[in-house]
Amino acid sequence: DAMVIQNPRYQVTQFGKPVTLSCSQTLNHNVMYWYQQKSSQAPKLLFHYYDKDFNNEADTPDNFQSRRPNTSFCFLDIRSPGLGDAAMYLCATSRDGPGRETQYFGPGTRLLVL
Amino acid sequence: GESVGLHLPTLSVQEGDNSIINCAYSNSASDYFIWYKQESGKGPQFIIDIRSNMDKRQGQRVTVLLNKTVKHLSLQIAATQPGDSAVYFCAENMGYSTLTFGKGTMLLVSP
Repeated sequence: DAMVIQNPRYQVTQFGKPVTLSCSQTLNHNVMYWYQQKSSQAPKLLFHYYDKDFNNEADTPDNFQSRRPNTSFCFLDIRSPGLGDAAMYLCATSRDGPGRETQYFGPGTRLLVL
Repeated sequence: GESVGLHLPTLSVQEGDNSIINCAYSNSASDYFIWYKQESGKGPQFIIDIRSNMDKRQGQRVTVLLNKTVKHLSLQIAATQPGDSAVYFCAENMGYSTLTFGKGTMLLVSP
């Protein structure tokens, strides 16, 4: 089945220690998104790639970076995680857009910062 | 750790009842709307969508109603089941902008 895959499902890191979260997709979609979701809140968009074009949201901290080496994979790098970065991180894809297209989400990676 | 979360609006229903979840959207120019279901510890799952040239769309056990006059969106779930228990988010989009999610409603279905 075509899908969005996130690894790992749970990630524990130490305060200030860089961490990378992974996302892959078998949908061959052009757009990949990274969201941060904190408890009982809506997903908050961090950035997205439209093919190779990177689009950062204005309020995304510099601490968050992303890489998309090919169509299938996208990575979220947190350079110096703080306690406030503990959250669920969701990857999503859409065939085109963004906008006017359904986004399909992966299962998420829950990040714990000690 | 995580900041303290907000309390989500909660709708409690009995199994077999019909559920209606409401959403007020913010942008009168939005032209595409999606409902997502998110179970605990999982990513949002697409349920149904509707474009602004429609006011009603039906799926399997679900119906979405769009009232553009008052910027209101609703999700109706027929014969609600315990497996429908989750947080439901509406999301809106305008043109080629990215999705904007609403605050979410928790649906609790008791047997």
